[in-house]
Amino acid sequence: QLVLTQSPSASASLGASVKLTCTLSSGHSSYAIAWHQQQPEKGPRYLMKLNSDGSHSKGDGIPDRFSGSSSGAERYLTISSLQSEDEADYYCQTWGTGVVFGGGTKLTVL
Amino acid sequence: QLQLQESGPGLVKPSETLSLTCTVSGGSISSSSYYWGWIRQPPGKGLEWIGSIYYSGSTYYNPSLKSRVTISVDTSKNQFSLKLSSVTAADTAVYYCARHGEQQLVSWFDPWGQGTLVTVSS
Repeated sequence: QLVLTQSPSASASLGASVKLTCTLSSGHSSYAIAWHQQQPEKGPRYLMKLNSDGSHSKGDGIPDRFSGSSSGAERYLTISSLQSEDEADYYCQTWGTGVVFGGGTKLTVL
Repeated sequence: QLQLQESGPGLVKPSETLSLTCTVSGGSISSSSYYWGWIRQPPGKGLEWIGSIYYSGSTYYNPSLKSRVTISVDTSKNQFSLKLSSVTAADTAVYYCARHGEQQLVSWFDPWGQGTLVTVSS
């Protein structure tokens, strides 16, 4: 069964970097995923598609501070030079015969 | 710039059918080879995919909701719609529509609509 696992929460200081993780279930390590950002009281926004080889393509207007990487079944979202507006929920998403979302990670900027 | 806007009743009674429409602007559903989807988010919880439809009418549904869901497309109005039958309080959520990001494939979502809150209550 295709499942995405995310840590419920993460925190980092203003100006620092943070790396969020999304783990694909066993047998699905070749799958691409997408990262979405949901700021408080707003709808989700597409950040990037991330392939198993670490290559990624970002959405329109997404700052260079956002980058993606991969290792095995893990997919990462790194946000550098954290700003207050980066405080948000981050969801990973994948697809096969249907669509699956991870449970989301709530990022707090200290 | 492609934009999507959800519309429909904000309050639905238990056991009735929830009906929402997504209107697409800045692009044509019929001239593009994309899938279009519905996603929901209960208050304080994560995202759940409901289902997706191709401009030709081909559909994919979340197995957990499949028995209650119908998604349809009206290319003449540049809209696609969601019907969810026999609703309960557990169906209270913000409902989003979105386009899939890759042509001819159920894939990532981009862009998203702003969402509409539907409350199920008598």
